[in-house]
Amino acid sequence: DAMVIQNPRYQVTQFGKPVTLSCSQTLNHNVMYWYQQKSSQAPKLLFHYYDKDFNNEADTPDNFQSRRPNTSFCFLDIRSPGLGDAAMYLCATSRDVGNTEAFFGQGTRLTVV
Amino acid sequence: AQTVTQSQPEMSVQEAETVTLSCTYDTSESDYYLFWYKQPPSRQMILVIRQEAYKQQNATENRFSVNFQKAAKSFSLKISDSQLGDAAMYFCAYRSQNRDDKIIFGKGTRLHILP
Repeated sequence: DAMVIQNPRYQVTQFGKPVTLSCSQTLNHNVMYWYQQKSSQAPKLLFHYYDKDFNNEADTPDNFQSRRPNTSFCFLDIRSPGLGDAAMYLCATSRDVGNTEAFFGQGTRLTVV
Repeated sequence: AQTVTQSQPEMSVQEAETVTLSCTYDTSESDYYLFWYKQPPSRQMILVIRQEAYKQQNATENRFSVNFQKAAKSFSLKISDSQLGDAAMYFCAYRSQNRDDKIIFGKGTRLHILP
């Protein structure tokens, strides 16, 4: 059974049109992450939540926002997608920090046209 | 800032043979965790093996083992008796111990298994 679910698997959006990617988890984990993964590159951390505490990476563009309305759900909002934002977006969860394993969703592949 | 480097973009190994994937990292922290994750094509990333920096003993999980050299900041993954199902992208990852929690990944190594 899938424990970290990302919807949709594939998303096509128009240049400049706001888009939201969603992630849900059935694990009741405290930590949720959003990563951007471009071809042949390392997954790049955009931001993460420890419970309700939001941690934004210094180099994450303002164009990217996130919401975590409850433990189970986390959203990635891209306010004005550009061609350079086309990528795989990975959601991950972790029970806690440190040695605990991170569980990943299958990702959402975003195409910007 | 911590960095993770995987210097082998692609590797191939014959089925049933042994292969070693390299990873080096840079950090000023003394306590941290290291992981190898596997990402099969079109499937989610899953944990292969983990290592606590304070442990000298190398972690082992069935056919997977690591060679952790803390002084050299090296963390290689050895896959023994390679199987077709091992074909995937492998990512080395670093995680801090503190509350400012990040998982930092290397660029990955694509492993091909030759039948």
